[in-house]
Amino acid sequence: GENVEQHPSTLSVQEGDSAVIKCTYSDSASNYFPWYKQELGKRPQLIIDIRSNVGEKKDQRIAVTLNKTAKHFSLHITETQPEDSAVYFCAASATGGGNKLTFGTGTQLKVEL
Amino acid sequence: GAVVSQHPSRVICKSGTSVKIECRSLDFQATTMFWYRQFPKQSLMLMATSNEGSKATYEQGVEKDKFLINHASLTLSTLTVTSAHPEDSSFYICSASRGEETQYFGPGTRLLVL
Repeated sequence: GENVEQHPSTLSVQEGDSAVIKCTYSDSASNYFPWYKQELGKRPQLIIDIRSNVGEKKDQRIAVTLNKTAKHFSLHITETQPEDSAVYFCAASATGGGNKLTFGTGTQLKVEL
Repeated sequence: GAVVSQHPSRVICKSGTSVKIECRSLDFQATTMFWYRQFPKQSLMLMATSNEGSKATYEQGVEKDKFLINHASLTLSTLTVTSAHPEDSSFYICSASRGEETQYFGPGTRLLVL
C-alpha cells in the first residue's frame, strides 16, 4: 500500500518568513495530493490540493509543488502569520484505490512573533 | 457547501459499553464516507471506507466486529464501538466524498472510555 513520509515534524519560523514542508510517497499510482491544516482538537481543513497532471498550484500565500518522477510534493507558505500555527498534514490517494487518503505524520508549525 | 457534522462531539463511557457515533453530510450526498482514528499528537489513521448500501471495507488490523459501520443513506454513516475499552479512547473523525477525490471532514468525536 501507499506510504507517505513527511518532514520536518516540527517547524518554527519568524512571522513574515516562509515555511516549507516536504512529503514523499511510494505508490506511483497516486494522483491526488491534498494538504490539510488541523488546529488542536479541530477537524482537518483542506487548504490546497494538487493533481498529478499539474506541477505547481498557488492560492495566495500558499503553494504546492509536485515532482512525479521523484515522488515528492511540498507545501510552501509565504509571509507566515501567527494564525498559520497549526499541524499540517500531507496526504496521497489514487483514483483506482477508492480515493483512500494516506496521511503523512504531520508537521507542527509554529509562527513566532 | 460540503459541510459534514458529527454527533456527539464528546462521549465518556464505562468499559464494556457500546458507543455510537453519527456522521452526516448536511448539504450534499456522500457516495463514500470514511472513518479515521487519531491518537494524541499522531496522524489520522483510516479505519474503514463506507459506501451507501454496502458493507464497509476495513483497513488491515481494524476489527470489523468491534467497529461496526452502517451507511444507511447517502447522508448518514454510523460507527459503533462495541464493548469499548480504555485503549479505544481516541479522536474519531469521519469524512465524506461526493465521488471525487476531495474529502470533507467532520468535527470529530472525542471518546473517553473509563
